[in-house]
Amino acid sequence: GAVVSQHPSRVICKSGTSVKIECRSLDFQATTMFWYRQFPKKSLMLMATSNEGSKATYEQGVEKDKFLINHASLTLSTLTVTSAHPEDSSFYICSAGQGNYEQYFGPGTRLTVT
Amino acid sequence: AQSVTQLDSHVSVSEGTPVLLRCNYSSSYSPSLFWYVQHPNKGLQLLLKYTSAATLVKGINGFEAEFKKSETSFHLTKPSAHMSDAAEYFCVVSDRQGGFKTIFGAGTRLFVKA
Repeated sequence: GAVVSQHPSRVICKSGTSVKIECRSLDFQATTMFWYRQFPKKSLMLMATSNEGSKATYEQGVEKDKFLINHASLTLSTLTVTSAHPEDSSFYICSAGQGNYEQYFGPGTRLTVT
Repeated sequence: AQSVTQLDSHVSVSEGTPVLLRCNYSSSYSPSLFWYVQHPNKGLQLLLKYTSAATLVKGINGFEAEFKKSETSFHLTKPSAHMSDAAEYFCVVSDRQGGFKTIFGAGTRLFVKA
């Protein structure tokens, strides 16, 4: 089956620094990747939709200058949390698809900002 | 725009009794519907999916769900709960609008009592 990886699985960073999270589709080419954020004991909130070679589409209320998304190839998308603050601490999950209904989810990245 | 409502935030059942997790959806297009399970501090696991084929869908671990267009529902059931079923369950809708954007329900926490 389709496999999506995320790196790192966990990251701790200091307030004010930037953190990059990678999402890779390992055995298929993903035309679309999605980034989600999950707060403790909450559901997944869609942050943005990323299409290969074009700018990401952000959901309402998500700061695009804060959460930089790059989808440079059909197997890689990155999310960079810029100037991180403690309130950015969360579980970030990506998913990848091939232009149909099914998305394949990565295992998630837990970000802690101290 | 598509949306999904999980009618119960918490469900508690005794081991060996049936499980019913309720989900209603809204979609302007023919949707695909999914149920995912998330165990504590883990990623998402796909239980089952409906993509316009058979309306009764069988998934892993004995779960199944029935797509009822007239009721806009996609409830998840299992005849006999097991302790290992205790987890968070998410109902998810996806359609062509917005490039197969995937929208999560708020989640239902399933508790299984011995």
